[in-house]
Amino acid sequence: KQEVTQIPAALSVPEGENLVLNCSFTDSAIYNLQWFRQDPGKGLTSLLLIQSSQREQTSGRLNASLDKSSGRSTLYIAASQPGDSATYLCAAPSSNTGNQFYFGTGTSLTVIP
Amino acid sequence: SAVISQKPSRDICQRGTSLTIQCQVDSQVTMMFWYRQQPGQSLTLIATANQGSEATYESGFVIDKFPISRPNLTFSTLTVSNMSPEDSSIYLCSVSEGEGGYGYTFGSGTRLTVV
Repeated sequence: KQEVTQIPAALSVPEGENLVLNCSFTDSAIYNLQWFRQDPGKGLTSLLLIQSSQREQTSGRLNASLDKSSGRSTLYIAASQPGDSATYLCAAPSSNTGNQFYFGTGTSLTVIP
Repeated sequence: SAVISQKPSRDICQRGTSLTIQCQVDSQVTMMFWYRQQPGQSLTLIATANQGSEATYESGFVIDKFPISRPNLTFSTLTVSNMSPEDSSIYLCSVSEGEGGYGYTFGSGTRLTVV
C-alpha cells in the first residue's frame, strides 16, 4: 500500500516569498503523481499532474518536480500571494492497486499580506 | 478535463436518516470514485463505482452503509445510510478519464453535518 507524507503540516509566509512544499511516497513504482489545492470546506482543484517519464511540470507560478528513485516530489510556489492560502495535497497511486490514489494529509499554507 | 456537478453542496441531517449524493459528469468517463474527508483529515477512498455492476468497496466501508449506484458512464450516486454524527464529513466524487496517467478530477464536494 502506498503511503504519502507531506511536510510541513502548516506554513505561514509573508506575501512575495518563494516557498517549497514537500511530498514523499513509499511505493516508487508510480506512473504519475498529482498535486491538488483545497480551500476550506470545498472540493479539490487539480494543480499539476506529473507523469513518471517527466521530472517536472510548470503552470504559471507553480512548479512541481518528481524524483521517483528517492520517492519525493516538491511543489514550488513563486512570489506567493494571499490568494494562494489553502491546503495543498499530494496524491500518488500504488503499483499494485490500479487506479486508487493515496493522499497525504496536506500542507496548510497561509500567505500574510 | 471532465467537469463534475455534485449535489447537494451541503446538508444538515438528523441521525438515523439517509442522504443520497449525486455526481453528474459532462462526459463519459471510465473510472468514478467516492471519497470521504473527515474533519481535519485527508481523503479516504470509500469505493470505486463500477458501471453496470456492484461497487468495489475499500476496507472499512460496506454496501449496507454506503450503497452506490452507477447506471451509466456519466452519473453515480452515493447514499449515506442510517446516519450518525460520526458520518459528518465532506464527501467527494472523483473521476479519471482512463486507466493510468490521466489524473483525477474532483467535484466540489458535499459537506454533511449529522445532528
